[in-house]
Formats: sequence, C-alpha cells, structure tokens
Amino acid sequence: AQKVTQAQTEISVVEKEDVTLDCVYETRDTTYYLFWYKQPPSGELVFLIRRNSFDEQNEISGRYSWNFQKSTSSFNFTITASQVVDSAVYFCALRPWGGSEKLVFGKGTKLTVNP
Amino acid sequence: DSGVTQTPKHLITATGQRVTLRCSPRSGDLSVYWYQQSLDQGLQFLIQYYNGEERAKGNILERFSAQQFPDLHSELNLSSLELGDSALYFCASATYAGGPDTQYFGPGTRLTVL
Repeated sequence: AQKVTQAQTEISVVEKEDVTLDCVYETRDTTYYLFWYKQPPSGELVFLIRRNSFDEQNEISGRYSWNFQKSTSSFNFTITASQVVDSAVYFCALRPWGGSEKLVFGKGTKLTVNP
Repeated sequence: DSGVTQTPKHLITATGQRVTLRCSPRSGDLSVYWYQQSLDQGLQFLIQYYNGEERAKGNILERFSAQQFPDLHSELNLSSLELGDSALYFCASATYAGGPDTQYFGPGTRLTVL
C-alpha cells in the first residue's frame, strides 16, 4: 500500500525566513512519481512539481527547491526567503507507475507567512 | 488557471437530495479524475475515466456515480445526500492514462449538505 506522511501540520514563519516542508512516503513499487501541490486560501489545487523515482536530481525553481532522497523515502520542499503570498496548504502526493493512477495525498502542511 | 473548469463553484442542498457536478478537462486531455476533500479524510480519490470508459475506482460510495461523455466532459452524480457528504469536490485531468502524466486540478465545487 502507498502512504504519504507530512508530519508538520502547521508551520508559521516570518517573511524572508527559509522554511522546509517535510514529506515521507511509503511504496513497494520501484517506479513511482512524487508531486507537490499548493492550495492557497482561495481553494484551488496548484501543481508545483513532479519527480520520477529514477531521477534523484534535486530541482530549483526560483525560491522553491526540492530535495528527493530515495534512501530515506523523502521528498522535501524548501521555500527560500518566504513571502506572504506563499501562505497556503501544501500537499505532497505519490502515484505508482501503472495500476491505479490515483494520487495518494498526505494530510498537508499549512504554512503561514507573517509580514 | 489550470484549464480545467468545474461548475458550479458552490452548491447548497438538503439531505436526501441529488446533485450533479460538472467538469470540463483541459483541451486535449483524455483522463478525468474525481477527488473529495474533507476535513476528516483529507484528499481522497473517487474515480477515474479515460476516453469515456471507467478506468479506476477508489473510495466512492454506491450513492455516487460518474460518467464521461463523448466530448470528454465528466459529471459526478451524488444522490441520497447525507451531512457527511459536505466537502470540496475536485476534478483533475491528464493527457493520457498512466505514465508520468501530471494531473491538473480544477477550482473545485464546494458542496454543503444541510
């Protein structure tokens, strides 16, 4: 069975601080995909990144970076120099290759960035 | 804007009633997924359609059903509604079925059952 754990329920930081959101996953599949989605207060789910299990290269996109470590089954998300607009709930999700293509979501981490 | 549209945005109804939620996928996408987001269960997969055919089922109640039409839009039908069905219902679409395709989500329909 697949499972995603986001142990941090809520995080509060002050603007310009760096913040890391943790994601730990469980799967028996050797090939799988990991995702991060952002849910701002308006409610929609916004895709941020997809990572394939066979590609452990870390990725940076502006102030966002992702650290994928297969050895520890983790796919952590760091926001550098956080801004108030980063306030949202962030979800990590897992999808195995083949079989059911459903996304298995973590419970989400609510990030509040205070001015 | 993901390109996925959902209507209505909000829906308020009474217990025992039936409602229909509508989703139009991104242009060119053949797969449609439905998810339910509730406070206690989080985001849960309900059902997937690919090019008009049901492809996968998740934690979907028997009172719920869905279909995908020839123009690829999809509808989720919820009947005999209960208070516990109040949730945010998302539709997502992807180009194909399987593989690395990313699912892009619509804005959701917030259902309130009174």
